[in-house]
Amino acid sequence: AQSVSQHNHHVILSEAASLELGCNYSYGGTVNLFWYVQYPGQHLQLLLKYFSGDPLVKGIKGFEAEFIKSKFSFNLRKPSVQWSDTAEYFCAVSYSGTYKYIFGTGTRLKVLA
Amino acid sequence: EAGVAQSPRYKIIEKRQSVAFWCNPISGHATLYWYQQILGQGPKLLIQFQNNGVVDDSQLPKDRFSAERLKGVDSTLKIQPAKLEDSAVYLCASSHGGRDGDTQYFGPGTRLTVL
Repeated sequence: AQSVSQHNHHVILSEAASLELGCNYSYGGTVNLFWYVQYPGQHLQLLLKYFSGDPLVKGIKGFEAEFIKSKFSFNLRKPSVQWSDTAEYFCAVSYSGTYKYIFGTGTRLKVLA
Repeated sequence: EAGVAQSPRYKIIEKRQSVAFWCNPISGHATLYWYQQILGQGPKLLIQFQNNGVVDDSQLPKDRFSAERLKGVDSTLKIQPAKLEDSAVYLCASSHGGRDGDTQYFGPGTRLTVL
């Protein structure tokens, strides 16, 4: 079955630390990949997405992600986190032609001031 | 551009009661999705509409859940009768539809508690 794995369920970092959140998906052909963020009390918002082209994708608020096809991965990175990055982060995959998303279980990030 | 609207935001019912949720997508978006998000899990797709037709309802528990999207705009999701395990946040999302890589825009969700 098609699935998405997020390996880190809870991450605690100090401000200015670097962040990398893992995301792996199961093989199923051509994929579109997404990272969504949910800040406390807010709805899910798109951080960035990979559709085609450059596998290094830059998103909002200094986030980036790299699509590594050979590893079925789409890890999210930020070189220096801020307290305001405290949120839950969801990776999602959409297999070409289906338009529906399959979400991972999410990673709860807490950044200490 | 107005976002996806959902109501109510919170609902508490007893098991075996019925409940309905409403969603109004972003204007012009052809595709509408309902997701169930149980605490500690990622959103799980329940049903996907393209205009007023169902594209995918393979994960919708059809013995108790139903959804409709009359006129291809707003949508309602109903649970009848509710079970304890239906306690979750119900998310509505919309997208332009019909294209690979379409971004889905999410509403604030309805938090359902079944006692």
